[in-house]
Amino acid sequence: EIVLTQSPDFQSVTPKEKVTITCRASQSIGSSLHWYQQKPDQSPKLLIKYASQSFSGVPSRFSGSGSGTDFTLTINPLEAEDAATYYCHQSSSLPWTFGQGTKVEIK
Amino acid sequence: EVQLVESGGGLVKPGGSLRLSCAASGFTFTIYGMNWVRQAPGKGLEWVSSISSSSSYIYYADSVKGRFTISRDNAKNSLYLQMNSLRAEDTAVYYCVSTMIANLDCWGQGTLVTVSS
Repeated sequence: EIVLTQSPDFQSVTPKEKVTITCRASQSIGSSLHWYQQKPDQSPKLLIKYASQSFSGVPSRFSGSGSGTDFTLTINPLEAEDAATYYCHQSSSLPWTFGQGTKVEIK
Repeated sequence: EVQLVESGGGLVKPGGSLRLSCAASGFTFTIYGMNWVRQAPGKGLEWVSSISSSSSYIYYADSVKGRFTISRDNAKNSLYLQMNSLRAEDTAVYYCVSTMIANLDCWGQGTLVTVSS
């Protein structure tokens, strides 16, 4: 099973700052890495597919990069509405797995 | 607009059974794979099961293999999850999720399953 480890677990950020969340895979997954945003009491929403491709309708301040084992989600600039938990997910091999999540709080 | 609406959740005793349903609309259901993903209260996301468009390929997480059965009815644009021998650790919100242009791209609102005596 491929383990995804996100860092940090929690981040408190001021609006307009840049946020960087990393996701490290326990083995190479190519570009089969996706990022989701989950706001409280809502279902997850896909932000970035295949490491760096923006999903339809997602604001341009969200971007992704990386390949192999190291990936990054960047939010720049952060807006108040971006308070949420962010998850990475790999679809390289079954069982599909998720990172533990990174909670972003707005100061 | 893509819509995935889950139903069938509720309170069930350990060892009991429950069948979840997901009604899909707004896209050509018959040509896409579908999935169930769950989230225990206050916890992260866990992939549960996947089924291909024609039901030819079916996969399960080890944690549910032998107890859960995924199925679909393309004539009714519906996805199902039959859950048997339920355990306390199966307590979670269960999401119906499509795989169209990306893996796990569109998510329903979820249905809560609580396993407790």
